[in-house]
Parts: sequence; structure tokens; C-alpha cells
Amino acid sequence: TQLLEQSPQFLSIQEGENLTVYCNSSSVFSSLQWYRQEPGEGPVLLVTVVTGGEVKKLKRLTFQFGDARKDSSLHITAAQPGDTGLYLCAGAIPQSGGSNYKLTFGKGTLLTVNP
Amino acid sequence: EADIYQTPRYLVIGTGKKITLECSQTMGHDKMYWYQQDPGMELHLIHYSYGVNSTEKGDLSSESTVSRIRTEHFPLTLESARPSHTSQYLCASSESTSDRGGTDTQYFGPGTRLTVL
Repeated sequence: TQLLEQSPQFLSIQEGENLTVYCNSSSVFSSLQWYRQEPGEGPVLLVTVVTGGEVKKLKRLTFQFGDARKDSSLHITAAQPGDTGLYLCAGAIPQSGGSNYKLTFGKGTLLTVNP
Repeated sequence: EADIYQTPRYLVIGTGKKITLECSQTMGHDKMYWYQQDPGMELHLIHYSYGVNSTEKGDLSSESTVSRIRTEHFPLTLESARPSHTSQYLCASSESTSDRGGTDTQYFGPGTRLTVL
């Protein structure tokens, strides 16, 4: 059973369009991270959200953590070809003892921005 | 830019061969991880280490083994490779802080794409 559902799985848009991708779960996470992965490379962290309802902005990217800390969204304004990549969300779950956390990843949204 | 390296980047081998995938980081991070990633699937944690001489199995059952003799080095070994081991293997590391709610950044290497014929 997948813990984190990402949608859509694939998204192809034209340069300049806006888009939103979603990351949903029935589980509560201590924090949630968004990564971007380009072909042939490992994921790179974009943002970490910790507080329910938190909104973080990174230039044209806006990240929101749901009030109940079960879901998150990523909105990109005026997408550019350089935004092309696989966007992964990852929720942090405490391990027994509570001092360490493991990340559970979604399957990702593969975004293509056409010039 | 993260200083974490994986070799080889690509590997094609025959069934039954023993292989070791190398992972090294120069950031002095205590925590290191191995993930398996297949197209259209989520990253699955297969091994992790919180320091020298500490290794644990992850969520996904794997026939591979790991060792952590030095802080900077976390190799993964398959004693007898099979076609079912074909996948992308990603190594990552993170700094051992108080891990405030799981907010540590994981730095990933570029991955090793393994194909077993």
C-alpha cells in the first residue's frame, strides 16, 4: 500500500502556464519535503515544510502543507522549460525512539514544460 | 552542490556475478542511505546507517548487503546478481543533527543504473 499518492503522474504544459501538483496521504507526517530530480541525477531538495498550514515560496514555486499535515501541494507560476523534471514529495515518519526519522517517497510527478 | 559520489554510473553484468556499488561523501555526514528507484515507482529505502559500524535494513526487502567501516564510505554489495536486481540505485547522506521533525536534508548521489542480463 502506497503511503503517499502524487497526482498527476505526468504533466505536459506550455511555457508560461501555471500548474499544481499534489501529494496526499491518510497518514500524518512530522514534516514533508519536495525534491526535484533531473534525468541521470539524484533528487535535489527544494523545500521542507513542518507546520500544518505552512506556505513557503521559492521564486515561482509555492509549497503548502495541509492543516492536518497529511497532504501538500506545489504550485508553479509561469512555468519555464528549466522546470522540467520529476517532482517527488517525501514525508518524514519518526522511528521507534523518536530521535530519527525515515522518509517515505511518493512516485513523483513527471513535468515537461515545452518551449 | 553536494559532495556525494557513486561509481559506477552504469553497469551491465551477467547473472550470478558479485558486484559492489560504491558511494562516498566528503561532507562528514554520519547518516547514509541506499534507495532503489524503478521508473514510475517511488524510491524505496533498502539500507541505512547512522554511523560507523551501524547498518540497518530498510523498508524494502533486498538481497544486498552494506558495510560502514569509514564515515565517508557506504558500499552496497550483491553476492549473486539476478535480472530482478535491475534498477537504479541511489545513495544519500544527511547530517546527524537533532533531526527536528525529520527536517534534515538528504543529499543524493547521481545514482548507479544496474542492468543484470
